[in-house]
Amino acid sequence: QSALTQPASVSGSPGQSITISCTGTSSDVGRYNHVSWYQHHPGKAPKLIIYEVTKRPSGVSNRFSASKSGSTASLTISGLQNDDEADYYCCSHAGSGIPFVLGTGTKVTVL
Amino acid sequence: EVQLVESGGGLVQPGGSLRLSCAASGFTFRSYAMTWVRQAPGQGLEWISVISHSSMSTYYAKSVEGRFTISRDDSENTVSLQMNSLRAEDTAVYYCARVEDSGYYYEGWFDPWGQGTLVTVSS
Repeated sequence: QSALTQPASVSGSPGQSITISCTGTSSDVGRYNHVSWYQHHPGKAPKLIIYEVTKRPSGVSNRFSASKSGSTASLTISGLQNDDEADYYCCSHAGSGIPFVLGTGTKVTVL
Repeated sequence: EVQLVESGGGLVQPGGSLRLSCAASGFTFRSYAMTWVRQAPGQGLEWISVISHSSMSTYYAKSVEGRFTISRDDSENTVSLQMNSLRAEDTAVYYCARVEDSGYYYEGWFDPWGQGTLVTVSS
């Protein structure tokens, strides 16, 4: 099972919106509505920001939103803030035998 | 407060073994699946193993299958990862995480995560 494909880096200025894509296949992202997203500041514990494609845990800013179309999931960060500078990973269920597959990760830079 | 604390990392020679532990607190441990994810230096996160509640089933990434064994002790609220035949490419920070789900654990998500423990495989 290959990792889900994400752009290596995305950047934006404070206040702007950015979107991170997560491309899988018809065996994972395209088949299941079990996509989650994680924010990871280096040296800290990763943090859940989206689960089940579009749901936001309590306490997570509504500036984070997500969607899915076909085999590609997307995470949008609106009103970009300095603290949003981090690595972001998607994750999907991938069927029997491979419960989870993570994305390659995207480094978000706030200009 | 839900908390996960990993321990057991360190320096080990290639071919050696190491056992990681993750101590959980603040929730009903036995009701949740638990998972391990690692991050090699300069690389992304890699999912490596999950164990269901009640230890009924376990899954492994192909990169560690046959060498790593996940287990849990619900009386001690701990999940462990026994790592054998270690290779240089196993060098990474290892995170444990609780698996939340709305039906089946293998369709779940990871929340929260621990701070990680560093494993270095080198001679």
